[in-house]
Amino acid sequence: NAGVTQTPKFQVLKTGQSMTLQCAQDMNHEYMSWYRQDPGMGLRLIHYSVGAGITDQGEVPNGYNVSRSTTEDFPLRLLSAAPSQTSVYFCASSLGQGWVNEQFFGPGTRLTVL
Amino acid sequence: AQSVSQHNHHVILSEAASLELGCNYSYGGTVNLFWYVQYPGQHLQLLLKYFSGDPLVKGIKGFEAEFIKSKFSFNLRKPSVQWSDTAEYFCAVTAGRNTGKLIFGQGTTLQVKP
Repeated sequence: NAGVTQTPKFQVLKTGQSMTLQCAQDMNHEYMSWYRQDPGMGLRLIHYSVGAGITDQGEVPNGYNVSRSTTEDFPLRLLSAAPSQTSVYFCASSLGQGWVNEQFFGPGTRLTVL
Repeated sequence: AQSVSQHNHHVILSEAASLELGCNYSYGGTVNLFWYVQYPGQHLQLLLKYFSGDPLVKGIKGFEAEFIKSKFSFNLRKPSVQWSDTAEYFCAVTAGRNTGKLIFGQGTTLQVKP
């Protein structure tokens, strides 16, 4: 199993550009989520999904969209990038709804918005 | 809303010193508690977790943590640190039975001097 994979690893955008961060898992996990990691703030939940077709907002959803058309994939879209979205983004997945299950994290995407 | 607080932001120790990292959470109901570690350049990995039962849990690499319900705490300990323990450590909590949302603390950077 590849586990949780994320692409790209690095990305530089200009303000106003849009892009999609890709996340995929091959463990047949129901639960997937996106976090952003900023210095001194830990990881903050952006959006999460408890299964295909179901998504919900986390702590910091503004400026981000998600969809979950398949169990395997959970892309994160930035519609109009802003410098405040400069961060490291982690995707995670877990079996079931995550209540009693360990979350597995991807390697991260480092995004810089100029 | 539930929150997680880690008291130490940056800890510097010499090899063989003992380690204790503080973690407190704010939630009155049943919680699951986790410690994750992020080694330089790597993604998050689970160190240990508490769901129920014995409040003293043992994890990988000689780490342990104690859940003290009356203090809303889940402190991480290791009797003797090694240079390879240099990393960032995150405490996290899930609360409620119908969500897998992980709420992270701000993180503690541990630097172990050889």
